[in-house]
Amino acid sequence: GESVGLHLPTLSVQEGDNSIINCAYSNSASDYFIWYKQESGKGPQFIIDIRSNMDKRQGQRVTVLLNKTVKHLSLQIAATQPGDSAVYFCAENFSGYSTLTFGKGTMLLVSP
Amino acid sequence: GAVVSQHPSWVICKSGTSVKIECRSLDFQATTMFWYRQFPKQSLMLMATSNEGSKATYEQGVEKDKFLINHASLTLSTLTVTSAHPEDSSFYICSAREGIVLQETQYFGPGTRLLVL
Repeated sequence: GESVGLHLPTLSVQEGDNSIINCAYSNSASDYFIWYKQESGKGPQFIIDIRSNMDKRQGQRVTVLLNKTVKHLSLQIAATQPGDSAVYFCAENFSGYSTLTFGKGTMLLVSP
Repeated sequence: GAVVSQHPSWVICKSGTSVKIECRSLDFQATTMFWYRQFPKQSLMLMATSNEGSKATYEQGVEKDKFLINHASLTLSTLTVTSAHPEDSSFYICSAREGIVLQETQYFGPGTRLLVL
C-alpha cells in the first residue's frame, strides 16, 4: 500500500557529514526501488535505483542499501553538501505492475 | 539523460475555468506517461497512467471526467483540469517512460503549479 504523511521527517546535518535517509516499503513483492531527489518547486530527479537481487549499489557519492527481510531501504550520501538539501523520496515497484509507489519523503537540510 | 518538459510552469485561474497542462518528452519517445499530484509537504500521488493511443487508467478516487488526459503522440500528453475549484490547487507533475519494460526508469517533468482562485 501507499504511505503518505502530512509531516515530512527532517534530517539536519552539517556540510561534510555523511547522511543516511531511511525508507520502509510496504509491499514484500516489490522488486525494484528508486531514490528520487526533489528540490523545492521542482520535479523529482532520479538518483539511484536497485533491484531486489542486490543488497547494495553505489553511485557517485551515494549508496543504496536494500534489506528485503525487514523491507527497508536506505540512501547514504557521502560528504553531504548544501546543494544536497532537498526532499528525498523512495519509490517501489513490482514486476507486472507498471506504476511506482512513493514513500512519504524525508527533508534533508545541510548547513554550511 | 532523458528530458521531460511541462507547460505552463505555473498557472492562476478563476474557479470554474478549465486549465490544460502539457507534458512533453524532448529526446525520447514515451510509450507511457504518468500524471501525479502533490500537495505541500506531501508525497506524490499518482492520478493516472496514459499509454499512447489508448484511454488513460485512473487511480481510485480520481475523477476521470474532471481530469481529462490525452496521450495522442509518443512525445505529448495533456492533462486538462475541467471546471477547476480552489481544492484543485496543487503541484501537478508528469513523468514519462521510454520502454515497454515495466521497470524502465520514469523521468519527471519540472511540475506545474496550479492556483485556483
